[in-house]
Amino acid sequence: QKEVEQDPGPLSVPEGAIVSLNCTYSNSAFQYFMWYRQYSRKGPELLMYTYSSGNKEDGRFTAQVDKSSKYISLFIRDSQPSDSATYLCAMKETGNTGKLIFGQGTTLQVKP
Amino acid sequence: GAVVSQHPSWVICKSGTSVKIECRSLDFQATTMFWYRQFPKQSLMLMATSNEGSKATYEQGVEKDKFLINHASLTLSTLTVTSAHPEDSSFYICSVLRYDQPQHFGDGTRLSIL
Repeated sequence: QKEVEQDPGPLSVPEGAIVSLNCTYSNSAFQYFMWYRQYSRKGPELLMYTYSSGNKEDGRFTAQVDKSSKYISLFIRDSQPSDSATYLCAMKETGNTGKLIFGQGTTLQVKP
Repeated sequence: GAVVSQHPSWVICKSGTSVKIECRSLDFQATTMFWYRQFPKQSLMLMATSNEGSKATYEQGVEKDKFLINHASLTLSTLTVTSAHPEDSSFYICSVLRYDQPQHFGDGTRLSIL
C-alpha cells in the first residue's frame, strides 16, 4: 500500500463546475499538507499549504485537511479551462529533512 | 515571480556525453535542495537531497556516480548526468527548501539522449 493514494483520473468537467480532488494517506505523522499544480512540461507550482487539520481558502481554491480520517481535499470553484493541469498532493512530517511524499497526481481537464 | 531558476530547460545530446543542470534559489538562501526525476504521466521521484557544503544523500537505487550533485552555495546546486545514455532521458526537476516552508520547484529540464 502506498503512503499517499490519489486517483490519477483523468477528470473532465465543464467550465464553471466545482472540482473536488482528494488524497488519502496512511502515515499519522504527516503534519504539513500541500497541493501543487503542474502544467505539461513544467515544474509543480505551489497552490495551497496547510499545517495540521482545518480549512484554508485562497481565491477559487479551498484546501481541507481531516487528520482523523487521513483525508485531504482541494476544491476549485468556477473552474476555468486554464485550470486544466495535473494536481499533486504532497505531505511531510515535522522536523525531518523536508522530504515530501507525493500522490500520483490527478489530471484535470476543464472543457469550455 | 519565480522562486527557483533551473537551466537549461531542454537539452539534447549524444550518448556518452555528460550534462550539467543548474538550480538556483532566487528569493532566499535555501537550507536544502532536492533533485527529482519524472517520467511521463507519473509523479515525481526523489533522487537526492542536497545541503550546502555537505555530500548529497541519494535515494535507494539512484547511482551516485552517475548523478553527481554539487551544492556549491546556499543558492546554487548542480546535477551532472555523467556518460548519459538513452535510458537517462527524462524530466529532471529541482526544488528548494527553507526551514519548514513548503518546497518551491524549478520549471524542470527535459533531457533527451540520442
